[in-house]
Amino acid sequence: NAGVMQNPRHLVRRRGQEARLRCSPMKGHSHVYWYRQLPEEGLKFMVYLQKENIIDESGMPKERFSAEFPKEGPSILRIQQVVRGDSAAYFCASSPPTGQPTDTQYFGPGTRLTVL
Amino acid sequence: AQSVTQPDIHITVSEGASLELRCNYSYGATPYLFWYVQSPGQGLQLLLKYFSGDTLVQGIKGFEAEFKRSQSSFNLRKPSVHWSDAAEYFCAVGLIKAAGNKLTFGGGTRVLVKP
Repeated sequence: NAGVMQNPRHLVRRRGQEARLRCSPMKGHSHVYWYRQLPEEGLKFMVYLQKENIIDESGMPKERFSAEFPKEGPSILRIQQVVRGDSAAYFCASSPPTGQPTDTQYFGPGTRLTVL
Repeated sequence: AQSVTQPDIHITVSEGASLELRCNYSYGATPYLFWYVQSPGQGLQLLLKYFSGDTLVQGIKGFEAEFKRSQSSFNLRKPSVHWSDAAEYFCAVGLIKAAGNKLTFGGGTRVLVKP
């Protein structure tokens, strides 16, 4: 019974490159959340997706960041033209398909992005 | 907008001693409340959650938390700390009327356990 999978676990990019972070939710889960954790800070909500739909992207930076959760395959968080300030740990969480506020979110191990 | 404050950035406690981590929230109604633990280099694991009912909530690993509406607090406690409890602890708030459950996290409290 695999948990939430994220890959890669560590990603190094140079300024201006693109970063693609992948998240496979727990089996049976169709809701995915992305959070960002800057050094020495708590997690900040970025985006909430269901299969093929973005439900809430109020925490996403307006430029360079995008997310998708296709019908098949993992959810992808894409950061274009990365800058040093994008260096952070990016966590994905999934929850059951009921979509209720009481649903528990199960977190993956995170992807640690370093921008040189 | 809702917010979560964890006043203690670091706490050092001796093994076997009791532990209490503070969490205060700001929200217009009763929120959904969570405590998560993060070990170094790992993701977050849910310790316990509160939605309604009994204000004293039992969680995993011997942790409990008490919701106090009058103080807007949801403090986490453990009677006797083990060395394996050294980690970072996050309090989080979820909104009742939100689609899904977008969580707002506090800044975290890092717990060090002395032998």
